Amino acid sequence: DQQVKQNSPSLSVQEGRISILNCDYTNSMFDYFLWYKKYPAEGPTFLISISSIKDKNEDGRFTVFLNKSAKHLSLHIVPSQPGDSAVYFCAASGGGGSNYKLTFGKGTLLTVNP
Amino acid sequence: DSGVTQTPKHLITATGQRVTLRCSPRSGDLSVYWYQQSLDQGLQFLIQYYNGEERAKGNILERFSAQQFPDLHSELNLSSLELGDSALYFCASSVGVRDVGETQYFGPGTRLLVL
Repeated sequence: DQQVKQNSPSLSVQEGRISILNCDYTNSMFDYFLWYKKYPAEGPTFLISISSIKDKNEDGRFTVFLNKSAKHLSLHIVPSQPGDSAVYFCAASGGGGSNYKLTFGKGTLLTVNP
Repeated sequence: DSGVTQTPKHLITATGQRVTLRCSPRSGDLSVYWYQQSLDQGLQFLIQYYNGEERAKGNILERFSAQQFPDLHSELNLSSLELGDSALYFCASSVGVRDVGETQYFGPGTRLLVL
């Protein structure tokens, strides 16, 4: 049972435009959400996070939106740059107790064309 | 650079063998997590240690074990290796005192190939 879903395996955008990556989750106990960027043969790099008490968090070109009622979050990258081309993973944690593990989506490959 | 180090970077071994993967967390982090990334399964949580004690277990096989030492580095031991164990193994660390949520920082990974 996939609790975190990224339904778009790939996304292609033009340099300078907005990239929107989407993520859906099913576990209502999740209370912390993160986005990671990953290049081949490297570890995931943390980008931005949001807790369930917020609906938006912004850091430079990256903004994450959380819609708890829809169990949906999205990552906006504006403006997109060729160096943003990578696989983006959505992850979630929560459930209380000592369960701090991250549950990952399968990733979306973003390609930013010059 | 996340500050999390993993060795070795690559490992090639044969079925039935045993290997040890090593991880050093970021300075000050007390929690260490191990994840496996295979082609078809994505990133899967294996196990978490906090200040030397096991905190949570995921889909970790009985042939796999881990520990965290007093200096907070961690080792993941994989034994009786099978072809299907070939994957990328990532270590991550976090502060370990969870309030609203904690960010985990990942190491570069160890690529294991079982022949």
